[in-house]
Amino acid sequence: DTGVSQNPRHKITKRGQNVTFRCDPISEHNRLYWYRQTLGQGPEFLTYFQNEAQLEKSRLLSDRFSAERPKGSFSTLEIQRTEQGDSAMYLCASSLEPGSSYNEQFFGPGTRLTVL
Amino acid sequence: AQSVAQPEDQVNVAEGNPLTVKCTYSVSGNPYLFWYVQYPNRGLQFLLKYITGDNLVKGSYGFEAEFNKSQTSFHLKKPSALVSDSALYFCAVRDPDFSGNTPLVFGKGTRLSVIA
Repeated sequence: DTGVSQNPRHKITKRGQNVTFRCDPISEHNRLYWYRQTLGQGPEFLTYFQNEAQLEKSRLLSDRFSAERPKGSFSTLEIQRTEQGDSAMYLCASSLEPGSSYNEQFFGPGTRLTVL
Repeated sequence: AQSVAQPEDQVNVAEGNPLTVKCTYSVSGNPYLFWYVQYPNRGLQFLLKYITGDNLVKGSYGFEAEFNKSQTSFHLKKPSALVSDSALYFCAVRDPDFSGNTPLVFGKGTRLSVIA
């Protein structure tokens, strides 16, 4: 399967714990995006990378959130000191951007986080 | 700021009938518009996009969408609905005229139910 993969698919944690999610994009894609989706809402942009550089972060991305893409391939999203409000589906997407912004993004299946 | 509105939370249609899922947008310049579909426990799948050119865009699975600049709309259509089309549909917009790299902004989604 050459699509976007995310691990784990589900994560249940207790409030205050740290969690880390991983995203493996389509191999030739240079852009990688993180979104958060809560019930009844569309995905909301969190951050994105062009290769290994993190180019933009949403105001939704509090100081407890950090994302990395160290070698320009896979990415991790870490949430420190989780809160119940962090419960959501975390989606990763990738795209190939040759300089324009019109290419479609390919999404992974998501990681569903439940904070107890 | 760019935004997307999907005025219907739910659309019900009988199998074989035409379907329309509505979307209106707001951007400062000329928009890039996208439709995605989300099936249970799966990531978002790209259906079609409008960048420039013909206002009628054809996409995957027999879907099409019509860009209407005067009405700022990008409604998704299909001539004959299938039960397998039942899913959650998201409209998204990107404003390429905005300085910097803007992410996709999604609507809240419309749940389509096709009844046999």
